[in-house]
Amino acid sequence: EADIYQTPRYLVIGTGKKITLECSQTMGHDKMYWYQQDPGMELHLIHYSYGVNSTEKGDLSSESTVSRIRTEHFPLTLESARPSHTSQYLCASSGYGYTFGSGTRLTVV
Amino acid sequence: ILNVEQSPQSLHVQEGDSTNFTCSFPSSNFYALHWYRWETAKSPEALFVMTLNGDEKKKGRISATLNTKEGYSYLYIKGSQPEDSATYLCAQGFGNEKLTFGTGTRLTIIP
Repeated sequence: EADIYQTPRYLVIGTGKKITLECSQTMGHDKMYWYQQDPGMELHLIHYSYGVNSTEKGDLSSESTVSRIRTEHFPLTLESARPSHTSQYLCASSGYGYTFGSGTRLTVV
Repeated sequence: ILNVEQSPQSLHVQEGDSTNFTCSFPSSNFYALHWYRWETAKSPEALFVMTLNGDEKKKGRISATLNTKEGYSYLYIKGSQPEDSATYLCAQGFGNEKLTFGTGTRLTIIP
């Protein structure tokens, strides 16, 4: 049974729309992460958080933003979606080792 | 080696055969090496976290070795089964718990 939940699983949306990808975990982990994966490429870290009210940019520049108001919740927002944002977005948290969500596959048309 | 590299990119193996693939990583300032199995439409599943040079870990038919001095890790699967079909990811871990991933090895088991 998954301890980290991502919704939606798939999303197809028009250019210019605002979207929020949800990520929640029930393990009480302080550290949470968002990774982005383009087809055939590596997972790249785009955002991370070490606790409530703590957010940092990752190694790969991203136009998305994140917030961490509650320990269990780490949503990612794109204010104005573009086709270049089409990708898979994977959320994770870490205690001892990582636990991943099942990902959101985003397509912007 | 500047990045985490995995080879081969993809692999087809007959059911029952054994196989292995490689993860190469920068050997300086080594902290940890992670292996994950990622089945289609599922979450990546942690297989191993390895930290010591010469370490060998085993989980059922899957095992992994680590050489931190030369910067490589091997993942072995003995007696491949159809359920082993997945992408196998390795990632280098750092003290801040961030991970740098390779592109993965996509394994397909042929019945």
